[in-house]
Amino acid sequence: EADIYQTPRYLVIGTGKKITLECSQTMGHDKMYWYQQDPGMELHLIHYSYGVNSTEKGDLSSESTVSRIRTEHFPLTLESARPSHTSQYLCASSAMQGPSYNEQFFGPGTRLTVL
Amino acid sequence: RKEVEQDPGPFNVPEGATVAFNCTYSNSASQSFFWYRQDCRKEPKLLMSVYSSGNEDGRFTAQLNRASQYISLLIRDSKLSDSATYLCVVINNYQLIWGAGTKLIIKP
Repeated sequence: EADIYQTPRYLVIGTGKKITLECSQTMGHDKMYWYQQDPGMELHLIHYSYGVNSTEKGDLSSESTVSRIRTEHFPLTLESARPSHTSQYLCASSAMQGPSYNEQFFGPGTRLTVL
Repeated sequence: RKEVEQDPGPFNVPEGATVAFNCTYSNSASQSFFWYRQDCRKEPKLLMSVYSSGNEDGRFTAQLNRASQYISLLIRDSKLSDSATYLCVVINNYQLIWGAGTKLIIKP
């Protein structure tokens, strides 16, 4: 079992609210990722990080922001949620070296619904 | 053209049959390859890495064809529990490129 956690698992909120999706991993992985995935659709990388104080935008433009102050923690924030943000958000991490280099471990996801 | 392409399916296969699907990639310098499995409304989980010499894990065999730039996944003696979406991942310049997935449905 991968040691990567996401909270909340489900979130239903109103338009305009600020939300933070939490992601933590206990594997000591340097690389962390946020993906957005709609039901039955492909994964879209929205943010990633190589380590503390490193954050990069992914392939899909996103109105969210991320921070990486601690190795184990990679929260994603939406300043003002909109119905178009309704989706599943998946956090993942991977090692930068070793036998499982580049193998991504995923959290269970946060299913966000914005009304 | 997408960097990584998969037939979306669905592949409807009777239980016990053998099924194979491919994933093509456009960058000949791609370094590493993986197959992931994703169940409906769940997170992706690593199924197997794909080595140059090919590799086998029980009923699953993964192969790499660098000349034709594709990887393949073969499932023998398919089980109902194999029903899922199978995603390929290609590493280019240390960036992970995900395929859109192939949906597999095993029917009794």
